[in-house]
Amino acid sequence: DAKTTQPPSMDCAEGRAANLPCNHSTISGNEYVYWYRQIHSQGPQYIIHGLKNNETNEMASLIITEDRKSSTLILPHATLRDTAVYYCIVRARNTGGFKTIFGAGTRLFVKA
Amino acid sequence: DAGVIQSPRHEVTEMGQEVTLRCKPISGHNSLFWYRQTMMRGLELLIYFNNNVPIDDSGMPEDRFSAKMPNASFSTLKIQPSEPRDSAVYFCASSKGQGIYEQYFGPGTRLTVT
Repeated sequence: DAKTTQPPSMDCAEGRAANLPCNHSTISGNEYVYWYRQIHSQGPQYIIHGLKNNETNEMASLIITEDRKSSTLILPHATLRDTAVYYCIVRARNTGGFKTIFGAGTRLFVKA
Repeated sequence: DAGVIQSPRHEVTEMGQEVTLRCKPISGHNSLFWYRQTMMRGLELLIYFNNNVPIDDSGMPEDRFSAKMPNASFSTLKIQPSEPRDSAVYFCASSKGQGIYEQYFGPGTRLTVT
């Protein structure tokens, strides 16, 4: 399974873009990059995923480098409610299905 | 849609007692996952099912833990006997399938074993 590396914590000013990096240098060609977040005391929440191309939805944008060894999650206008732990996950396939492994994530603090 | 439903939300029990956690996945989802989260170990996948069949239980810590999915709308995670080190938040999640589909998590059950 490809491993991911994320900074343990980051700060961001409210209203500014939050750019959360993730390294996944051993990613395989058929593995997707997923992002989830977990707000305190809640279950993780899916944000976005991608394979090669950049992706955007109502929550965020995902930028994947051409060599796919790293990616960046962008929250374009961070709010206080975006304070959470953000997990970058590479979806690994094993016999019978896909297995999702969560790492330590990045704790994002959005400050007023 | 009501989302993934878990019960109870909080459970306090004494060491040695049996604990049963329950999960109702989102209707139409055919994959179900059980996770455990602690400060020390983070979020760990315990077991997952596809079409009610256990696919990978390699994350189940030991024989005291067992999980079942008797039908598409219900799953249980049982701990017998419980120990203080089992204290954690247990999450259930479901997805449309085994593939690239995103997982939707329930609110979790906070288990405290004294």
